[in-house]
Amino acid sequence: TQLLEQSPQFLSIQEGENLTVYCNSSSVFSSLQWYRQEPGEGPVLLVTVVTGGEVKKLKRLTFQFGDARKDSSLHITAAQPGDTGLYLCAADSWGKLQFGAGTQVVVTP
Amino acid sequence: ETGVTQTPRHLVMGMTNKKSLKCEQHLGHNAMYWYKQSAKKPLELMFVYSLEERVENNSVPSRFSPECPNSSHLFLHLHTLQPEDSALYLCASSQLTGGLGYTFGSGTRLTVV
Repeated sequence: TQLLEQSPQFLSIQEGENLTVYCNSSSVFSSLQWYRQEPGEGPVLLVTVVTGGEVKKLKRLTFQFGDARKDSSLHITAAQPGDTGLYLCAADSWGKLQFGAGTQVVVTP
Repeated sequence: ETGVTQTPRHLVMGMTNKKSLKCEQHLGHNAMYWYKQSAKKPLELMFVYSLEERVENNSVPSRFSPECPNSSHLFLHLHTLQPEDSALYLCASSQLTGGLGYTFGSGTRLTVV
């Protein structure tokens, strides 16, 4: 079983629509990170959430860390084609950063 | 440019070849990592180096051999690979090991034929 379960695996939407992707676990984490990976590139860190219930905003992206620090969500408002990519969540597990399998998001014009 | 540079970007090698992947970071970080990324699977941590000493080897086959000569450079030596080793190999660095943000290179797309 994976430490971090991401859903959905794939999401295709039209430009201007909203979307939410999820990262869930049965484990409690001290922090959780979100990355975006574009084709042919490595993952790029978007945000780190630390406090249970924390909400962070990065332009049209809103990140939330669950109260129990076991889950997180990423919401994109008015998605644009530039938001296309693989969204990965990651968390520290015994001093090592473990990743979910990711959600592939495709935003079409 | 992320500050972590990987070469080559693409590599095709036969199962009897020996090749090396190179990673260089210009961020002053103390820890470096090799990850393997296969289609529809989570990134798999292969090796961790902290202050140039290997602190983690996640039961990686011996046909993969890492080398970290200093805190800025990391190599992955490859020999007698199998077709299932074809994947994107990512190098990352961080200030410390653990839950802080990692900076990744662009990866080496490896194809074993």
